[in-house]
Amino acid sequence: GAVVSQHPSWVICKSGTSVKIECRSLDFQATTMFWYRQFPKQSLMLMATSNEGSKATYEQGVEKDKFLINHASLTLSTLTVTSAHPEDSSFYICSARVLGGPRGGYTFGSGTRLTVV
Amino acid sequence: AQTVTQSQPEMSVQEAETVTLSCTYDTSESDYYLFWYKQPPSRQMILVIRQEAYKQQNATENRFSVNFQKAAKSFSLKISDSQLGDAAMYFCAYRAQGGSEKLVFGKGTKLTVNP
Repeated sequence: GAVVSQHPSWVICKSGTSVKIECRSLDFQATTMFWYRQFPKQSLMLMATSNEGSKATYEQGVEKDKFLINHASLTLSTLTVTSAHPEDSSFYICSARVLGGPRGGYTFGSGTRLTVV
Repeated sequence: AQTVTQSQPEMSVQEAETVTLSCTYDTSESDYYLFWYKQPPSRQMILVIRQEAYKQQNATENRFSVNFQKAAKSFSLKISDSQLGDAAMYFCAYRAQGGSEKLVFGKGTKLTVNP
């Protein structure tokens, strides 16, 4: 139980275009979703926290106008990278807060590898 | 702000042997949670073990156990009878009680298991 489905698993886009990444909770209601960015051989850096029906809370240094997060329902949260540039190329991971259950309180999506050319 | 430090960028172990991964953290809170996550080459984050700070007993999960030293703010992971499938990046993480419930991750330790 408590599975988060993240799509796409990889995407290549042209510089200047926008890309949307979706995370869906399949068998539970995700009231809180965390979005991370991970550079090669580095740790997960929290970008923002979104709560269903509220505006996302962004970490210091993360451009909220560039990384648009929408959490309009209890089963879907999206991250849109607007006007993408090569420096936005990275691995993006979502994680949902899970109350109880065997996953220790969090379940992670499988990640999206974004390459901007 | 809370910080998590993993001082070993890389570790290696022989199959069937035991290895310990180190983690220290800095917090002024008295109640919190600590985690070890495994990230294999697939990059899927997998929970290995979790510890509540108020519990004195060290958590164990089969071949995985922790040495939680609250006063020293240390949270090491011991992997016994290492298997080839244990090869991965291991991240230590901290979460405060209450608040935003966000996880703060260390930089990770890459574990190699040699046959």
